[in-house]
Amino acid sequence: GENVEQHPSTLSVQEGDSAVIKCTYSDSASNYFPWYKQELGKGPQLIIDIRSNVGEKKDQRIAVTLNKTAKHFSLHITETQPEDSAVYFCAAPSSGTYKYIFGTGTRLKVLA
Amino acid sequence: KAGVTQTPRYLIKTRGQQVTLSCSPISGHRSVSWYQQTPGQGLQFLFEYFSETQRNKGNFPGRFSGRQFSNSRSEMNVSTLELGDSALYLCASSEGHLGGPYEQYFGPGTRLTVT
Repeated sequence: GENVEQHPSTLSVQEGDSAVIKCTYSDSASNYFPWYKQELGKGPQLIIDIRSNVGEKKDQRIAVTLNKTAKHFSLHITETQPEDSAVYFCAAPSSGTYKYIFGTGTRLKVLA
Repeated sequence: KAGVTQTPRYLIKTRGQQVTLSCSPISGHRSVSWYQQTPGQGLQFLFEYFSETQRNKGNFPGRFSGRQFSNSRSEMNVSTLELGDSALYLCASSEGHLGGPYEQYFGPGTRLTVT
C-alpha cells in the first residue's frame, strides 16, 4: 500500500546552521507534497508545499525540493533559529482519494 | 479568516463510554478530515467529509464514526471507548473541490484520555 518514509527521526543543529529532512513516497501518482511544523500542544501548521510540476519552491529560510524520478522530497531550513525547534511532518496524498499519508515526523532541535 | 476550531480541547473519559468531538472548518472550506495522532502510530487518517458525504475512510473499527452538517461543521464519535483510543484527535479543513489536492489546515486538536 501507500507509504511515506521520513528521515531522520531526530536532528540537532547549531543555531545558524542548515537542517535537511527527507521523505520518500511510494505512490508514483502522488502530485502534492506538503510539510507541516508541529509545536508542543498545537496542531500541525502548513509551512510549505510543492506540486509535482515544479522541482523546487522557496519561502524565505525554508525550501522544498522534489525528485519525482527517485520519489523523494526534502525540506531545507537555512540559518536555523531556536524557534525552528519543533516536530516536522511530510505528507503525500493517496492517489485517487482525499486521504493524506504522513511521515513519522522529525524532531528538530536548534541549539543556541 | 478564523482558523479551524475544535471543541473541547481536553476530555477525560472512562472505558466503555462514548465521546463526541466537534470541528468547525475555515469559512468557505467544505472538506473536513479527521486524524488520530499517537506517539506510537503517528498521524493516522480516520475519514474525510465533503458536503455532508463521507468520501474516504481509514482503517479504523466501526466504533469510530463521523458526520458533517450543512454548514460544513463536523463531528466525530467514538463509542465503547478503549484505553488505546487515548490520543490527540486532529481535524483539518480544505476547499476540497474536485481537481485537488488542496492545502489542508489543522485545528489545535482534542486531547482525549481514556482511563
